[in-house]
Amino acid sequence: NAGVTQTPKFQVLKTGQSMTLQCAQDMNHEYMSWYRQDPGMGLRLIHYSVGAGITDQGEVPNGYNVSRSTTEDFPLRLLSAAPSQTSVYFCASTYGGSSTGANVLTFGAGSRLTVL
Amino acid sequence: EDQVTQSPEALRLQEGESSSLNCSYTVSGLRGLFWYRQDPGKGPEFLFTLYSAGEEKEKERLKATLTKKESFLHITAPKPEDSATYLCAVRLRDDKIIFGKGTRLHILP
Repeated sequence: NAGVTQTPKFQVLKTGQSMTLQCAQDMNHEYMSWYRQDPGMGLRLIHYSVGAGITDQGEVPNGYNVSRSTTEDFPLRLLSAAPSQTSVYFCASTYGGSSTGANVLTFGAGSRLTVL
Repeated sequence: EDQVTQSPEALRLQEGESSSLNCSYTVSGLRGLFWYRQDPGKGPEFLFTLYSAGEEKEKERLKATLTKKESFLHITAPKPEDSATYLCAVRLRDDKIIFGKGTRLHILP
């Protein structure tokens, strides 16, 4: 049981390049989400998904795309990277609906992205 | 606008000196309030979930309480290993889970 797996752990991009941050979970969680964490800013929600085929915008969605074709995977795409997207990115998941385990987010280890 | 505000931003305590962290929220439809702990270089780890005013949860030296407008994380007789950033989060009616900026806690031996 690996939990939430994020790849890569570290990435350096040049302005304008595109890339995808991968997130996979093996806990059969319906709910998945992406956050970015910047010094002094806490965790800010980028996009989230309550189930396969369903995605929605969070607090800071501009510059990022997501899709959810399977329950297990929730990739985050940067189409044209900007220096303002330099951050640590966390993927998280939990059970959906009103089940007892819902709301308890399990986080990945994070992906540190630097955009030059 | 939905908002979660944590105070203080940082707190330094001597070992054994009890204190409280505050999380106030202004949201349109609360479906749960959560506390997480985050160590440097790691993802947050779940501590507590609170659903209704008056509810309390305890775990070792930590106790979380909830009112209609805020939550407190009480730390009793803390030890150096309790040093971490403590994050408060809320689940909204549309299933967004949003976080405050956190409180950095440092316990001096």
